[in-house]
Amino acid sequence: DAGITQSPRHKVTETGTPVTLRCHQTENHRYMYWYRQDPGHGLRLIHYSYGVKDTDKGEVSDGYSVSRSKTEDFLLTLESATSSQTSVYFCAIRITGNSGETQYFGPGTRLLVL
Amino acid sequence: SQELEQSPQSLIVQEGKNLTINCTSSKTLYGLYWYKQKYGEGLIFLMMLQKGGEEKSHEKITAKLDEKKQQSSLHITASQPSHAGIYLCGASRLLTYKYIFGTGTRLKVLA
Repeated sequence: DAGITQSPRHKVTETGTPVTLRCHQTENHRYMYWYRQDPGHGLRLIHYSYGVKDTDKGEVSDGYSVSRSKTEDFLLTLESATSSQTSVYFCAIRITGNSGETQYFGPGTRLLVL
Repeated sequence: SQELEQSPQSLIVQEGKNLTINCTSSKTLYGLYWYKQKYGEGLIFLMMLQKGGEEKSHEKITAKLDEKKQQSSLHITASQPSHAGIYLCGASRLLTYKYIFGTGTRLKVLA
């Protein structure tokens, strides 16, 4: 599982409230990613990080912010949750090896915004 | 627009049958990945292909990348109920550390 955990695993919140999702890795990988998965859209990149305090936007970054104050944690914040942000959120890390590079994913967080 | 197109979107096969899932791009692929996702769970990495014409196998699953590096296929031989799930292809974007994904193929294997 490449040592990736996500918390919480499930969350129900109300429109307008802030929400923070946490991704934690134990293997000191530089690159971390946040995706959302929705029917008909597949996986879409929200934000990614290439080091502590270094982040960049993905294709669906509006309404989301991220922070990475230490290598092992990558936080995704919905400043004011909306119903359109109901989704399954996945964190991933990029791993490089002898046969190339790939991503390993966390177990996901199911978020319901009422 | 979706840069990676997967087909079919869903597939129902009888146990023991072979099946193929395709992943097509309008652009050259510089790293093609296949993942499997059990319903309600995270993605599990299956295989990565980089070179045109490359083929890799793991147990009863074989993935190929065509010579032009614009299409990949995932073939399952003698399918089993344990193969059921969603199969996604992904690709790395050239000169970035970003990735894109297809919309997935839902596979159901009937016992």
